[in-house]
Amino acid sequence: GNSVTQMEGPVTLSEEAFLTINCTYTATGYPSLFWYVQYPGEGLQLLLKATKADDKGSNKGFEATYRKETTSFHLEKGSVQVSDSAVYFCALTRETSGSRLTFGEGTQLTVNP
Amino acid sequence: NAGVMQNPRHLVRRRGQEARLRCSPMKGHSHVYWYRQLPEEGLKFMVYLQKENIIDESGMPKERFSAEFPKEGPSILRIQQVVRGDSAAYFCASSPTGTENYEQYFGPGTRLTVT
Repeated sequence: GNSVTQMEGPVTLSEEAFLTINCTYTATGYPSLFWYVQYPGEGLQLLLKATKADDKGSNKGFEATYRKETTSFHLEKGSVQVSDSAVYFCALTRETSGSRLTFGEGTQLTVNP
Repeated sequence: NAGVMQNPRHLVRRRGQEARLRCSPMKGHSHVYWYRQLPEEGLKFMVYLQKENIIDESGMPKERFSAEFPKEGPSILRIQQVVRGDSAAYFCASSPTGTENYEQYFGPGTRLTVT
């Protein structure tokens, strides 16, 4: 079946540091890949997505590239801010799974000033 | 355009009581998904519904849990005879179609506490 594996957290960085959160997946065919962000006490918000191999999703300074050969979708940001502190979820969906999302375990990011 | 609405935001139930969680999708969205987030875990799919139809309930526990999305009104997730292990955040998401390229928009969640 489909599965998503994220790097274990929590991750703590200083402001303006470089961020990488690793995400790898297992799925047949070509899933669509997503990064969602969850701020404390809130629901999930879509951060970025990629729907085919070599696509790069980007938003608010965050980027992730769909790598079919390594089955990865790592999230990166060149310079994090305190306001980026949140939980980040990698997810995938496949048409054959009825469009339901399969999530990774989530990575808690804390950015200190 | 109002987002996905869920209520209540917080719900406390004693063991053995029933919990009813409501979800109103975004305007124009006819597909609803329910996910459960247990403490310190990621979200797990529960059920996928369209108006008056359950499309995929493969993530629903076999007993005590049910879901509906009537022609009129919100989608309801019902948990009968709650137990402590049901304590979790329950999120609803909606989309305009069921195809994988369409984003699912999430509500703020209902945090259920069973005492």
